Amino acid sequence: EIVLTQSPGTLSLSPGERATLSCRASQSVSSNYLAWYQQKPGQAPRLLIYAASKRATGIPDRFSGSGSGTDFTLTISRLEPEDFAVYYCQQYGSSRTFGQGTKVDIK
Amino acid sequence: QVQLVESGGGVVQPGRSLRLSCAASGFTFSSYGMNWVRQAPGKGLEWVAVISYDGSNKDYADSVKGRFTISRDNSKDTVYLQMNSLRGEDTAVYYCARGDRGSYFWPFDYWGQGTLVTVSS
Repeated sequence: EIVLTQSPGTLSLSPGERATLSCRASQSVSSNYLAWYQQKPGQAPRLLIYAASKRATGIPDRFSGSGSGTDFTLTISRLEPEDFAVYYCQQYGSSRTFGQGTKVDIK
Repeated sequence: QVQLVESGGGVVQPGRSLRLSCAASGFTFSSYGMNWVRQAPGKGLEWVAVISYDGSNKDYADSVKGRFTISRDNSKDTVYLQMNSLRGEDTAVYYCARGDRGSYFWPFDYWGQGTLVTVSS
């Protein structure tokens, strides 16, 4: 089983700042089958990024993904008020697993 | 528009069984793999099970293997999760989510609203 470790656990930032979230896999993620999701309280998760760097339909370009192999990053270039949420990475190339999440909250 | 609607949640005693359903609409159900994901109160997401578009392949998280069974009925556009020998740690909101496109790996691009399962005596 591929274990995904996200860091930091919590990121405290102000609107307009840049957010950098990390996801590290215990072994190489095949074909970069790595996705990022956003979840707000009381809501289902929403797909942001897939294949490590491709934005899902309707996702603003302030969200970007990068990385390969075992190290992946989600970057939010300028935080909007609606971006404060929990973010999860997921690999879907070898069974499926989620990271434990990173909470982005308002500083 | 794509819709996934879960049902079947509720309160159940430890050791008992429950079957969840997820009714799909707005897309060609028989062309997609389907998944169940759960989230315990205040915790993160945990993938539970996947079934391929034609039902020929299934996979489970170790935490539910041997107790849960995923199935689908493509004539009814519905995926199911049969949960047996339920434990307190199975208490969670259960989401169904659309995944693989045919034989191609794909992320979970649509999710239902979730159904709450509470295992308690």
